[in-house]
Amino acid sequence: QVQLQQCGAELVKPGTPVKMSCKVSGYTFTSYVISWIKQTTGQGLEWIGYIYPESGSTGYNEKFKGKATLTVDKSSNTAFMQLSSLAAGDSAVYYCARSGLWDYFDYWGQGVMVTVSS
Amino acid sequence: DIQMTQSPASLSASLGETVTIECRASEDIYSNLAWYQQKPGNSPQLLIYDANSLADGVPSRFSGSGSGTQYSLKINSLQSEDVASYFCQQYNNYPDTFGAGTKLELK
Repeated sequence: QVQLQQCGAELVKPGTPVKMSCKVSGYTFTSYVISWIKQTTGQGLEWIGYIYPESGSTGYNEKFKGKATLTVDKSSNTAFMQLSSLAAGDSAVYYCARSGLWDYFDYWGQGVMVTVSS
Repeated sequence: DIQMTQSPASLSASLGETVTIECRASEDIYSNLAWYQQKPGNSPQLLIYDANSLADGVPSRFSGSGSGTQYSLKINSLQSEDVASYFCQQYNNYPDTFGAGTKLELK
């Protein structure tokens, strides 16, 4: 069955980066897009960007350019998102999700709760 | 960016009742709309895609309709397991955008 596995939680200090992973199984990693989505109580759900594992091509929401960097490791079927220079407003749950290109999200990871605090 | 205005923000209904949640897009999204259900502590799950197609494994009491800028999600014969938050999402234009959500509770 299709699974997107994410680690549970990260506590990070302001100004530091964090890199989170999304390991997929149950389908051909290079055949679908992986998107990353931020969820907060205040702002709701926000799409950060996508990466197409086959080519490594990416697309970002303008709001997250310079904040998020998306990469993949095809050898381990894993997608990564690095968030730079974290601030309080980056505290959120971050999901990876699978889709086709220009498409809806049919499978989601369980999310990573990132807390930015000194 | 396309704005998705979802209503109501919260909804209280009785078991067996029919409920409807609406989503309005700021421009035509050509039925490129999905609905998701999210229960507390869980990730969103796909219910409806392409405005009216039921995702695999989703009960038939869920249905979607609409076109252009106006879309709706209907839940027939509300069950206790339907208590959740519901979100719409447009994928017609990047960036994908979501409605603010509807929290559905039992009366």
